[in-house]
Amino acid sequence: DTEVTQTPKHLVMGMTNKKSLKCEQHMGHRAMYWYKQKAKKPPELMFVYSYEKLSINESVPSRFSPECPNSSLLNLHLHALQPEDSALYLCASSLLQGGTYNEQFFGPGTRLTVL
Amino acid sequence: KQEVTQIPAALSVPEGENLVLNCSFTDSAIYNLQWFRQDPGKGLTSLLLIQSSQREQTSGRLNASLDKSSGRSTLYIAASQPGDSATYLCAVTFTNAGKSTFGDGTTLTVKP
Repeated sequence: DTEVTQTPKHLVMGMTNKKSLKCEQHMGHRAMYWYKQKAKKPPELMFVYSYEKLSINESVPSRFSPECPNSSLLNLHLHALQPEDSALYLCASSLLQGGTYNEQFFGPGTRLTVL
Repeated sequence: KQEVTQIPAALSVPEGENLVLNCSFTDSAIYNLQWFRQDPGKGLTSLLLIQSSQREQTSGRLNASLDKSSGRSTLYIAASQPGDSATYLCAVTFTNAGKSTFGDGTTLTVKP
C-alpha cells in the first residue's frame, strides 16, 4: 500500500458544529503532516507529528486540534470554525529514519466548507 | 526569512515542446527540495526529491537539478504532452525538522 487516504472527501459544517478529518497511511511512515490550502495558493503547514508526537505547530488557532492515535492514523478535530477556514485540508506522510525526514506523500484532501 | 519563488506563474506551450520550470530559494543551506504536481482540486503528487548532497534526479521525461550555491532548482520536462497540464510546486526543506516551504507554483498548459 503506497497511498495516503483521507476521509471525508467533502465536508460542510456550521460554525457551531464539531467534526473530524481523518488521514491514514500504511507505508510505515513515522512523520505525518496537516496542511491547509486556499484556492490558487500553495499549501500552508499546520502541524507535524514525528513518532506520534507533535513536533511542529505553526501557531494554528485552538479551534483546530490534531491527534495522532497511532503510527498509521492522523486526525484533525474541528470546533467553532469560521467561514475563512473553508479550504482544502491535505494530509501527508514521510519516512522518518534516524531522525531524517524523506519524501512527502500527500492524500487527496478534504474540501471543507464552513457556513 | 527563508523564501521560495517560482517564475513564471503561468506557462503555455504547444505539445511536444521541451520546457524548464524554475524554483529559487533564499538560503543555500537547504536540507532537500521536492517537486510536486497538482491537478485542480486534487492532492499533490510527488515527482522528484533531491537531497542536499545531490545535483540532479531523473524520472522518465522529468529531470530536476539543484544548484545550492545559486539558490536554484529547475524541473525539465521533455516532449511535453497535454496530460502534463497542471500546477507544479517546489517545496524546500531548510532544516531537518519536517517543515517545508512551498513556492506559489507554476501553472502549465500544454496545448494539443
